[in-house]
Amino acid sequence: AQSVTQLDSQVPVFEEAPVELRCNYSSSVSVYLFWYVQYPNQGLQLLLKYLSGSTLVKGINGFEAEFNKSQTSFHLRKPSVHISDTAEYFCAVSAPEERDDKIIFGKGTRLHILP
Amino acid sequence: KAGVTQTPRYLIKTRGQQVTLSCSPISGHRSVSWYQQTPGQGLQFLFEYFSETQRNKGNFPGRFSGRQFSNSRSEMNVSTLELGDSALYLCASSLSGTALYEQYFGPGTRLTVT
Repeated sequence: AQSVTQLDSQVPVFEEAPVELRCNYSSSVSVYLFWYVQYPNQGLQLLLKYLSGSTLVKGINGFEAEFNKSQTSFHLRKPSVHISDTAEYFCAVSAPEERDDKIIFGKGTRLHILP
Repeated sequence: KAGVTQTPRYLIKTRGQQVTLSCSPISGHRSVSWYQQTPGQGLQFLFEYFSETQRNKGNFPGRFSGRQFSNSRSEMNVSTLELGDSALYLCASSLSGTALYEQYFGPGTRLTVT
């Protein structure tokens, strides 16, 4: 079975500073990896996904993530954050080779942008 | 194109009652998944329906059930409500049931059990 761990429940960062949100996964088979964002009082929105190919994935709103198979990580980065990036971010994993290929979410990381 | 809609948006129920939540997917989407979101547990997968059939199920008790209609609309039912069922219930639709296709989430139904 797959699992995903988001190492930080909250991350404070100053506006215009860079940020990294950490995600590690566990799986015995190949995986798809996702990052979703949830703005206050809204549902989740897909930021980016890794299915195969290039390990550096670029998403919306200037975010990118790098798949590192040896470290089983999929950290999310942005070089300069804006106040509008205040939200909760979820890392997720699925195993397409498994019959039960549902998407498993981490517990989320709250990004606080400080003025 | 209209997004995923969920009704009602807010609901207050008493312990022991039952509740039905509704989800209308994006037109053309055949897969609907349901999640429970709580501060302590994050998002937990409830079940997924594809073409009116339950395709996947999470680790929730039998009090949680669902169904999907021929127009892909889905309902989720929780019987004999407990205080711990208070949560945000999210549904997500996608073209197909595999992770290849992006899931589009609705705004959720906030259920409070008193």
